[in-house]
Amino acid sequence: GQNIDQPTEMTATEGAIVQINCTYQTSGFNGLFWYQQHAGEAPTFLSYNVLDGLEEKGRFSSFLSRSKGYSYLLLKELQMKDSASYLCAVTDSNYQLIWGAGTKLIIKP
Amino acid sequence: IAGITQAPTSQILAAGRRMTLRCTQDMRHNAMYWYRQDLGLGLRLIHYSNTAGTTGKGEVPDGYSVSRANTDDFPLTLASAVPSQTSVYFCASSLLEKGEQFFGPGTRLTVL
Repeated sequence: GQNIDQPTEMTATEGAIVQINCTYQTSGFNGLFWYQQHAGEAPTFLSYNVLDGLEEKGRFSSFLSRSKGYSYLLLKELQMKDSASYLCAVTDSNYQLIWGAGTKLIIKP
Repeated sequence: IAGITQAPTSQILAAGRRMTLRCTQDMRHNAMYWYRQDLGLGLRLIHYSNTAGTTGKGEVPDGYSVSRANTDDFPLTLASAVPSQTSVYFCASSLLEKGEQFFGPGTRLTVL
């Protein structure tokens, strides 16, 4: 079966760094997405990895290891507005997105 | 219209009633999707359409139907609503080849 695992909830302090991990087992792989979802809102795109390595975009970076079925999202210089859920999703061989349940990130002052 | 829109924003519905959730996009995306999102379960795909005139079943299709008469519109119909269909419903679209999905604002549906 297809499976995406990520922690249910994480807590971090404003100004700090946090890493949210995601492991996956899917039928085929055509890329991995990270989305941010604030409470009561729709998910919005953060990053996309299809090749191994680190993709950096401002305070956010995403890493992929296809051989390990592993990705992480790194958030630096945390701000209160980063409190949200972070969703990991993998595109399978049919170009369908398989979604993780999301990681709720709580930022404390 | 800019992007993807859904209607209604929220709805309370009596069990057994028929309901259609509307979704329209103006980005000329060929693929469209309907998800439901329940607490602790993440996004689950109900139905999808890779191009106008075709549809497919997702992970949780029972009790729902869709149609894709044209590129822009992808309505989701609950033929006879049940309380377990209480959820937040998101419509999304993408260029199939790229995969990045853009989401509508969601419809919060309560079935009593």
